[in-house]
Amino acid sequence: EDQVTQSPEALRLQEGESSSLNCSYTVSGLRGLFWYRQDPGKGPEFLFTLYSAGEEKEKERLKATLTKKESFLHITAPKPEDSATYLCAVQAAGSARQLTFGSGTQLTVLP
Amino acid sequence: DVKVTQSSRYLVKRTGEKVFLECVQDMDHENMFWYRQDPGLGLRLIYFSYDVKMKEKGDIPEGYSVSREKKERFSLILESASTNQTSMYLCASRTGVPGETQYFGPGTRLLVL
Repeated sequence: EDQVTQSPEALRLQEGESSSLNCSYTVSGLRGLFWYRQDPGKGPEFLFTLYSAGEEKEKERLKATLTKKESFLHITAPKPEDSATYLCAVQAAGSARQLTFGSGTQLTVLP
Repeated sequence: DVKVTQSSRYLVKRTGEKVFLECVQDMDHENMFWYRQDPGLGLRLIYFSYDVKMKEKGDIPEGYSVSREKKERFSLILESASTNQTSMYLCASRTGVPGETQYFGPGTRLLVL
């Protein structure tokens, strides 16, 4: 069974304090790993897709990396507007239509 | 720019009412999904559809049904709403190509009294 575990559940940072969020996964044949950002009361907003170990993607203060067992979302010098819940999801070869989601990391960046 | 829209942002219904939630995507995607999201439980898949008139049960289909008469539109139906169906409902769509991005709508927050 495909599994996605995100840690920590919640993270509080001071503005400018860099950190990383973790997404560990167990799947039978990874087709893609996806990162989303979700603001309270809104739908998830797509951030990145990673396909193979060693791949990296960047967008502003965010950088996503992928290994064979986990992905990290690195946040460099975060700002209060980066506060949100970050969701990780995987698509496995055996579940071509569905994504398996983690439970998310709630990030709070304090000014 | 990709777009998934949902018919309502907020809904208040009474127990026993029939509730329709509608989702429309403009990206010609084959796959469409309905999830509910509750605090501490994460995203849970209710139903999905991979083609017009085709549907498959997700993890929590009980108490729900769906309809997909046109490719761009996917409806979630609560035949007789109950208080435990109070939740945030999210629609999503994706192409049939493995590894392609799944896009979400803005969500409908449903309160059943």
